[in-house]
Amino acid sequence: AQKITQTQPGMFVQEKEAVTLDCTYDTSDQSYGLFWYKQPSSGEMIFLIYQGSYDEQNATEGRYSLNFQKARKSANLVISASQLGDSAMYFCAMRGIIQGAQKLVFGQGTRLTINP
Amino acid sequence: DTGVSQNPRHKITKRGQNVTFRCDPISEHNRLYWYRQTLGQGPEFLTYFQNEAQLEKSRLLSDRFSAERPKGSFSTLEIQRTEQGDSAMYLCASTLLGTRGSLANYGYTFGSGTRLTVV
Repeated sequence: AQKITQTQPGMFVQEKEAVTLDCTYDTSDQSYGLFWYKQPSSGEMIFLIYQGSYDEQNATEGRYSLNFQKARKSANLVISASQLGDSAMYFCAMRGIIQGAQKLVFGQGTRLTINP
Repeated sequence: DTGVSQNPRHKITKRGQNVTFRCDPISEHNRLYWYRQTLGQGPEFLTYFQNEAQLEKSRLLSDRFSAERPKGSFSTLEIQRTEQGDSAMYLCASTLLGTRGSLANYGYTFGSGTRLTVV
C-alpha cells in the first residue's frame, strides 16, 4: 500500500521568502511518480510539479522545485520568492507506475498562508 | 477544450434524496477518476474508468453509489438515499494513458469539484 505523510498542517511565511513544504512517502513499488498540487479556496486542484522515481535530477517548474531524496523517501516542495497568491492548500500525492489504476494517493495537505 | 468540467458546483440536498453529478473530461483523455474530499483532508480515490469500462471501485464506494461513463465520454456519479456523511467535495480528474501502458501525460487534470451538503 502507498502512503503519503504531510506533517505540517499549517505554514505561515512572509511574502518574498522561500518556503519548504514537507512530504514523506511509503511504497513497495520500484517505479512511482510524486506530484504536488495546489488547491485554492475555489476548490480546483492545480498541478504544480512531478518527479519520477528514476529521474536523476530534481524537478523544477518556475518558482517550484522538488527536493527529492529517494533514500529518505521524501519529496519536499520548495517555493522560492513566495507571493500572496501562493496562499492555498498544498497536497503531495504519489502514483505507482504499474499497469492498473495508477490512481493518486494524497496526503492530508498543508495550508500555506503568505503574509504581506 | 478548456479542461475538466463538473456540474453542479454546489448541491444542497435533504437526507434520503438521490443526487447525480456530472463530469466532462478533456475530450482526448481516456481515463477518468472520481475522488471524494472531506473537510481538512486530501482527496480519496473512489473509482476510475478507462474509456467506458469501470475498472476499479474503492471500498469507500458503498452500494448507494454508482458511476457510469457511457460511450467513454462524460461520466456521472449518483448517490442514492444520501446521508449526512456523504457531505464532501466530489472531484473528477482525467488523464491520457499511453498505448504502451505508461501515462503519456504525467499530469491528471482535475475539475473544480461538486460540493455536496446533505442536511
